[in-house]
Amino acid sequence: QVRLQESGPGLMKPSQTLSLTCTVSGGSISSGGYYWTWIRHHPGKGLEWIGYLYDKGDTFYNPSLKSRTIISGDTSKNVFSLSLSSVTAADTAIYYCARYDSPQFDFWGPGIRVTVSS
Amino acid sequence: EIVLTQSPDFQSVTPKENVTITCRASQSVDSSLSWYQLKPHQSPKVLIKFASESFSGVPSRFSGSGSGTDFTLTINSLEAEDAATYFCHQNRFLPHTFGQGTKLEIK
Repeated sequence: QVRLQESGPGLMKPSQTLSLTCTVSGGSISSGGYYWTWIRHHPGKGLEWIGYLYDKGDTFYNPSLKSRTIISGDTSKNVFSLSLSSVTAADTAIYYCARYDSPQFDFWGPGIRVTVSS
Repeated sequence: EIVLTQSPDFQSVTPKENVTITCRASQSVDSSLSWYQLKPHQSPKVLIKFASESFSGVPSRFSGSGSGTDFTLTINSLEAEDAATYFCHQNRFLPHTFGQGTKLEIK
């Protein structure tokens, strides 16, 4: 059973860079065929795909966030991370890491609530 | 990007009712559509993939249909535990997109 767990700060100030880490157990981020994903949910609104990391290190980002987003992986620790720069209140959301095994996101972390406030 | 529009946004239903949620795509996504269930304080769970295929372990009362631009999720004989928000998701084109969600309240 693959398990994912998000970690990082719950409170940010505007203009800071958000850094979240997803620790994966029960499976390797370097195993083929899976995309290691970040998704966020603004309460009361839909889910928003941020981007994902493929096993060869390729990354794909949502164009709406691409200029501020970096997703990277550390295979030695079996974690992958999200960096989102210049955050604003609009980035307040629950952030999930997930595994994408086309066509579905089959394993998710419990989510981490991030609030951006001065 | 592909815009997915769900209806209704909210529905209050009684147990044992049958419920239908629709998802319309701004352009054809073939059968590349999935449905997810999100309960408070939990993470989303996939119910349906490829528009109509049930994901492993999902109760048989959940079913999906459609192709192209119009899709439906049907819940037969609703149970109290089905209170949740339901999202459709397309993976035909990047970026992945989701519907705005349909919240089901159980009376």
